Amino acid sequence: DAKTTQPPSMDCAEGRAANLPCNHSTISGNEYVYWYRQIHSQGPQYIIHGLKNNETNEMASLIITEDRKSSTLILPHATLRDTAVYYCIVRETGANNLFFGTGTRLTVIP
Amino acid sequence: DAGITQSPRHKVTETGTPVTLRCHQTENHRYMYWYRQDPGHGLRLIHYSYGVKDTDKGEVSDGYSVSRSKTEDFLLTLESATSSQTSVYFCAIQGAFGAEAFFGQGTRLTVV
Repeated sequence: DAKTTQPPSMDCAEGRAANLPCNHSTISGNEYVYWYRQIHSQGPQYIIHGLKNNETNEMASLIITEDRKSSTLILPHATLRDTAVYYCIVRETGANNLFFGTGTRLTVIP
Repeated sequence: DAGITQSPRHKVTETGTPVTLRCHQTENHRYMYWYRQDPGHGLRLIHYSYGVKDTDKGEVSDGYSVSRSKTEDFLLTLESATSSQTSVYFCAIQGAFGAEAFFGQGTRLTVV
């Protein structure tokens, strides 16, 4: 699986959009981009995934560049409960592992 | 929340003793995983299962064994616990490849 690069930490003001970047320059054509988050010591929580088109669900939006070498997770109106570590993962649909790096620690500030 | 339960949630054990962690699901999902999480390493895959009695190794499988005799249960065994196995262990389930994975709340294991 291709590896990802994320900034170690970010801050965001409550109520503002949080934009979390991810670089995956070695991604291959059949690899999806997944985002998970981990709040404090809880188990990771699935957020969203996509292949090449932008995706949106009730939690977030995923914007993937046309060359697919990077993506951005957008939390449109960050709340204090969105404070967590966010993991960007690339993975083939047939792969048996989610490779978790060290992620981005997002802190939402009141 | 997906029906996935890990037990115990916390355990302290002595070096050299056997330890078994249990992951139980009520979703009838085919795939089950065991991860460990340590500071600075993120989550790392220990073993996974793609069906009853079908298991395979992950990236950090040394010192661990697993068993899956029923769809709903995936057991992780440390045959002889060592201090390096002190960690937080997470179980995950997945209905199909490509689908989202659901994680349990974790088991904090301390080997003294």
